[in-house]
Amino acid sequence: AQKITQTQPGMFVQEKEAVTLDCTYDTSDPSYGLFWYKQPSSGEMIFLIYQGSYDQQNATEGRYSLNFQKARKSANLVISASQLGDSAMYFCAMRDFILTGGGNKLTFGTGTQLKVEL
Amino acid sequence: EAQVTQNPRYLITVTGKKLTVTCSQNMNHEYMSWYRQDPGLGLRQIYYSMNVEVTDKGDVPEGYKVSRKEKRNFPLILESPSPNQTSLYFCASSPGGRDEQFFGPGTRLTVL
Repeated sequence: AQKITQTQPGMFVQEKEAVTLDCTYDTSDPSYGLFWYKQPSSGEMIFLIYQGSYDQQNATEGRYSLNFQKARKSANLVISASQLGDSAMYFCAMRDFILTGGGNKLTFGTGTQLKVEL
Repeated sequence: EAQVTQNPRYLITVTGKKLTVTCSQNMNHEYMSWYRQDPGLGLRQIYYSMNVEVTDKGDVPEGYKVSRKEKRNFPLILESPSPNQTSLYFCASSPGGRDEQFFGPGTRLTVL
């Protein structure tokens, strides 16, 4: 079965510093996608970044980058130059494409609460 | 504006009183899903739909029903709510299986 593990329940980082949020996954599907979502205290889910299992390069979106290490089954999120507005819960998620018959199953980790301090 | 809407946003009800949480998207997406979010457990998929009249169970379907009679709507039905269904519920949609999911604003449900 698919599984996502986020081992950091909470993290602190100083403003302007970079921070890495860990995510490991487990799947037997050769084709899958990895997502990161941000959930601020207001509750909405905001899509940040996507990495496909066959993508050759690590995904980047502005200050967000995904450190994808396929052999280690890890997909860590790196936030550069942290801002106070980055304080939120961050969820890693995975979507299998073959074993689940089309990719509509999204499995989430338990999340990491990030607090950015002055 | 492209969006996923849910109603109601907040609901307090009593055990056994049937309720429906509506979900609607205006992006012509084929895929729609329902999730529940509980502290320490992340989001767990309840049901999903790959198109009109095509629905399937997710990881935690017990106590829930769904229907997909129109492409834009995907209501979540709790026939006989129980306190363990107190949770934050999200509806999501996506164009296809490989795309990001767009989430609704969430519905906070309390069952007394």
